[in-house]
Amino acid sequence: AQSVTQPDIHITVSEGASLELRCNYSYGATPYLFWYVQSPGQGLQLLLKYFSGDTLVQGIKGFEAEFKRSQSSFNLRKPSVHWSDAAEYFCAVGAGGTSYGKLTFGQGTILTVHP
Amino acid sequence: GAGVSQSPRYKVTKRGQDVALRCDPISGHVSLYWYRQALGQGPEFLTYFNYEAQQDKSGLPNDRFSAERPEGSISTLTIQRTEQRDSAMYRCASSPLVGRVEPQHFGDGTRLSIL
Repeated sequence: AQSVTQPDIHITVSEGASLELRCNYSYGATPYLFWYVQSPGQGLQLLLKYFSGDTLVQGIKGFEAEFKRSQSSFNLRKPSVHWSDAAEYFCAVGAGGTSYGKLTFGQGTILTVHP
Repeated sequence: GAGVSQSPRYKVTKRGQDVALRCDPISGHVSLYWYRQALGQGPEFLTYFNYEAQQDKSGLPNDRFSAERPEGSISTLTIQRTEQRDSAMYRCASSPLVGRVEPQHFGDGTRLSIL
């Protein structure tokens, strides 16, 4: 069964600083990887996904993530954080085969942005 | 509407009562998913449907939980004889295709509180 670990429960950065949120996954085959963002009182919004091909993927709101098979990681990055990026971020992995409808999420990383 | 719609947004009920949570997916989306999210955790898979067929219910915690999607559109998640441990955010998602891993589009959720 697949699993996801987000090692950082809470990260605080200053506005304008760079950001990296860590995600490690466990899955035997090529994973399908996602990053979602959740603002208070709202649903989860997809930031980006990796299915195959180029290991550096671009998403919305200036985010990018890099798939590193050797490290089983899919870290999310942003070069310059804006105050509106404060939210909770979830990494998720999907499996192929008969379980394709099931996403497994990490426990999330809360991002605080200081002015 | 444009997005996944869930109702009610908030539900408070007494222990032992039955509750029904409703999900209206994005128009044309054939796959529908239910997740449960405890405070401070990521969403946890419950079940999913392709059209009206329930494909995987491995995440339903026990037989008090059931879900249906009789006409392949709106879905209802029912919890019988509620217990305090059922308190959580219940999230619904949908996606347009079947047979493969896809990004899932989430609603704003139903916050369930059991007194």
